[in-house]
Amino acid sequence: DADVTQTPRNRITKTGKRIMLECSQTKGHDRMYWYRQDPGLGLRLIYYSFDVKDINKGEISDGYSVSRQAQAKFSLSLESAIPNQTALYFCATSPGGLNQPQHFGDGTRLSIL
Amino acid sequence: AQKITQTQPGMFVQEKEAVTLDCTYDTSDPSYGLFWYKQPSSGEMIFLIYQGSYDQQNATEGRYSLNFQKARKSANLVISASQLGDSAMYFCASPIISSGSARQLTFGSGTQLTVLP
Repeated sequence: DADVTQTPRNRITKTGKRIMLECSQTKGHDRMYWYRQDPGLGLRLIYYSFDVKDINKGEISDGYSVSRQAQAKFSLSLESAIPNQTALYFCATSPGGLNQPQHFGDGTRLSIL
Repeated sequence: AQKITQTQPGMFVQEKEAVTLDCTYDTSDPSYGLFWYKQPSSGEMIFLIYQGSYDQQNATEGRYSLNFQKARKSANLVISASQLGDSAMYFCASPIISSGSARQLTFGSGTQLTVLP
C-alpha cells in the first residue's frame, strides 16, 4: 500500500462546483503539503500544515482551502472551481527539517470544464 | 525573481551514456539543501538525492550524483550509465523561499530527459 494516498486519482467536474481532494498518509509525518503542477511551471505550494492545529498559506492559496482532520489526513477544497484550476495536484509529507525530503502521493488529475 | 533555474527544457542521451542536468539557485542563506526529484510519465514524484550546503563531499546515490559547486550556486544532477527507464521529467528543488512562517520547498521548471536506445 502507498504511504501517501490521494483520492480521487482523476476528476472531471464543472465550473462552480465544490471539489474536495483527500490525502492520507501512513508515514507518521507531522508535516503535510498540497501542491499544484501546471505544464512548464514545476510544482507550486498551495497550503501546508506542520501539525493538526497549524495551517499556513503557500504561494498560490487563493481559491483554495484546506482542513487537517488528523495527523494522517489533509484535504484540499476548491470552493467554486474555475477552469484555470485544472491541474495535477500533489499531496506530500515530511518528517520536518529542511534537509528532509518530501514524500509525494501519486497525484490527482483535476479537469474543470 | 526565479529562485531555482533549470535551463534545459529537454535533453537527449544515448543509452549507457552519462548525462548532466543543470540546476542553479539563488539564495543568500548560508545553510540550505538541494533535492532532485524524478517524475516519470505516470506522474508520481520520486525523491532521488539530497545535498546539504555544508556537506563536504558531493552526494551520490547509486547511479545518481550531484555536482555541487557552491560558489557558482549550481547543483547539477549526473546520471551515469543511462537506462531507458531514466526517461522522465527531473526537478531540482530547494527550501529557499519563505512562505508564511517558514521556508518551503521551491521547484525549478524541470528538464525532460529522453534516453535513446
